[in-house]
Amino acid sequence: GAGVSQSPSNKVTEKGKDVELRCDPISGHTALYWYRQRLGQGLEFLIYFQGNSAPDKSGLPSDRFSAERTGESVSTLTIQRTQQEDSAVYLCASSLWGFEPQHFGDGTRLSIL
Amino acid sequence: EDQVTQSPEALRLQEGESSSLNCSYTVSGLRGLFWYRQDPGKGPEFLFTLYSAGEEKEKERLKATLTKKESFLHITAPKPEDSATYLCAAPVEGGSEKLVFGKGTKLTVNP
Repeated sequence: GAGVSQSPSNKVTEKGKDVELRCDPISGHTALYWYRQRLGQGLEFLIYFQGNSAPDKSGLPSDRFSAERTGESVSTLTIQRTQQEDSAVYLCASSLWGFEPQHFGDGTRLSIL
Repeated sequence: EDQVTQSPEALRLQEGESSSLNCSYTVSGLRGLFWYRQDPGKGPEFLFTLYSAGEEKEKERLKATLTKKESFLHITAPKPEDSATYLCAAPVEGGSEKLVFGKGTKLTVNP
């Protein structure tokens, strides 16, 4: 079956531009997570959506970062006024519900020039 | 602060040379521990969930075990295709479904 799909797979942009990253979770999965992975580092939690509950935004590093999810489907992560330190791989994961194993997409590699 | 620490950071083995990777955690009231495998340029792939001390799970050449303070991923007679970064993760305290990940162990198996 289809796994978690992320687009674009690579994004190169200039400092100060806004970027939007997309995640299509596995159908039927109610929980969706965004992570950031810097080179050689572990996964850093950003935000968590569970059904219609208010999202857990506790991992967003600044107010330049925001995310939305429509129901139990597509999610977008937006980074405004990008900075060079935003360069990383952004990974999305979904699970049946909050405590089930997470299934990851292959990420969006973001490079800020 | 919830913390998950993995060791070693990197491990080189010869094909057939068994070894173990370690994941220690400071989360009290552990509600589960997850192991993932990550290949270069790919997202992590789920391997195991362990829920209680003494639990063991196996998949091919991999066996994961859990104690009250740490988990081990044992690799028996590894093959080059087992080369990857292995990540462990645990839910943060307080009932949240958020996971805290270790930095991973990069395993290289030479033929």
